[in-house]
Amino acid sequence: AQSVTQLDSQVPVFEEAPVELRCNYSSSVSVYLFWYVQYPNQGLQLLLKYLSGSTLVKGINGFEAEFNKSQTSFHLRKPSVHISDTAEYFCAVSDPGGGADGLTFGKGTHLIIQP
Amino acid sequence: DTEVTQTPKHLVMGMTNKKSLKCEQHMGHRAMYWYKQKAKKPPELMFVYSYEKLSINESVPSRFSPECPNSSLLNLHLHALQPEDSALYLCASSQAGQGLYEQYFGPGTRLTVT
Repeated sequence: AQSVTQLDSQVPVFEEAPVELRCNYSSSVSVYLFWYVQYPNQGLQLLLKYLSGSTLVKGINGFEAEFNKSQTSFHLRKPSVHISDTAEYFCAVSDPGGGADGLTFGKGTHLIIQP
Repeated sequence: DTEVTQTPKHLVMGMTNKKSLKCEQHMGHRAMYWYKQKAKKPPELMFVYSYEKLSINESVPSRFSPECPNSSLLNLHLHALQPEDSALYLCASSQAGQGLYEQYFGPGTRLTVT
């Protein structure tokens, strides 16, 4: 079974500074990887996904992530954050084992943007 | 239309009540999901429907009963819940097939069991 580790439960960053949110996955097979964002009192919104191909994935709102198979990582980055990026960020993995599977989420990282 | 709608937004129910949560999507997705999210925790998968058939039940207690009446609708029937069942219940949908497709989430129903 796959699992996802987000080591940082909270990341404070000053506005306009760069940020990296870390995600490591554990799986013996190929996986699909996703980053979702959850704003307060809302559902989850997809930021980006990695299925195959180029290891650098660009998403919405200026976010990007790099898939690193040797390090089993999928870190999320943004070169310059804004106050509106304050939210909970979840890394998730799905197993391409056939059929429709649910997602396994990491514990989440709370991104706090300081003015 | 990439929206998943959920009703009601908030629900307060006693432990002896019977209530239902509803979820609807019109994206032509054939996979639908229920997740439970406790405060400051990630969503946890409860059920997966694929082509209107229950494909995954993550050992959820029988006081939660899912139903997929058609490809656009997903219900979650609640009966004799416990206070620890209070949480945000999220519905999601996706194209069916091998975990390949991203899931679209609704805004959730915040459930309080008294």
